[in-house]
Amino acid sequence: GAGVSQSPSNKVTEKGKDVELRCDPISGHTALYWYRQSLGQGLEFLIYFQGNSAPDKSGLPSDRFSAERTGGSVSTLTIQRTQQEDSAVYLCASSPRDIDGYTFGSGTRLTVV
Amino acid sequence: TQLLEQSPQFLSIQEGENLTVYCNSSSVFSSLQWYRQEPGEGPVLLVTVVTGGEVKKLKRLTFQFGDARKDSSLHITAAQPGDTGLYLCAGEWNYGQNFVFGPGTRLSVLP
Repeated sequence: GAGVSQSPSNKVTEKGKDVELRCDPISGHTALYWYRQSLGQGLEFLIYFQGNSAPDKSGLPSDRFSAERTGGSVSTLTIQRTQQEDSAVYLCASSPRDIDGYTFGSGTRLTVV
Repeated sequence: TQLLEQSPQFLSIQEGENLTVYCNSSSVFSSLQWYRQEPGEGPVLLVTVVTGGEVKKLKRLTFQFGDARKDSSLHITAAQPGDTGLYLCAGEWNYGQNFVFGPGTRLSVLP
């Protein structure tokens, strides 16, 4: 597609439920990143996929967070047993190579109530 | 953990004024990027700098990378209301790793 697409754009969930966030990167981009942005804050790195290499999961805040990237394209970020502190905007970005600038999606705004 | 600092945190100016925002780290960057983010949107890449002392211009925006590659500045000439947004710098300390983002400078340009 023309840009990075994320869905849903907004998600309200009850504390303790699981959620899945989806990212469709730009076709042909080998690198895919997930970041989290809390209200008024900068971006917090979560996880990074590069081609067929093992993902860099060093930013995941707890074992409730996991992500997959199927077929080198679409990625899903899963948060299990959501907590209120998980409320944030989850941003996905892709780039042609890991040293190029990122193209971000518009994000998924997650609210845990 | 390598950290990026940005200053000022907030900046409110009148249309037509000039301004400079800063990004710095205690470690040497392999490359640095500047992004602008508007409400409800993801950040949009403005520029990438790689070489110490490098200066890049994008219309009224001038980006400078410090000689020691530990700091960068963004200068806006004759600011316009359309420049309003969150300006983020992002640094990479080793090629091939993810970029680490600073906390941002929130700029408001009043008409």
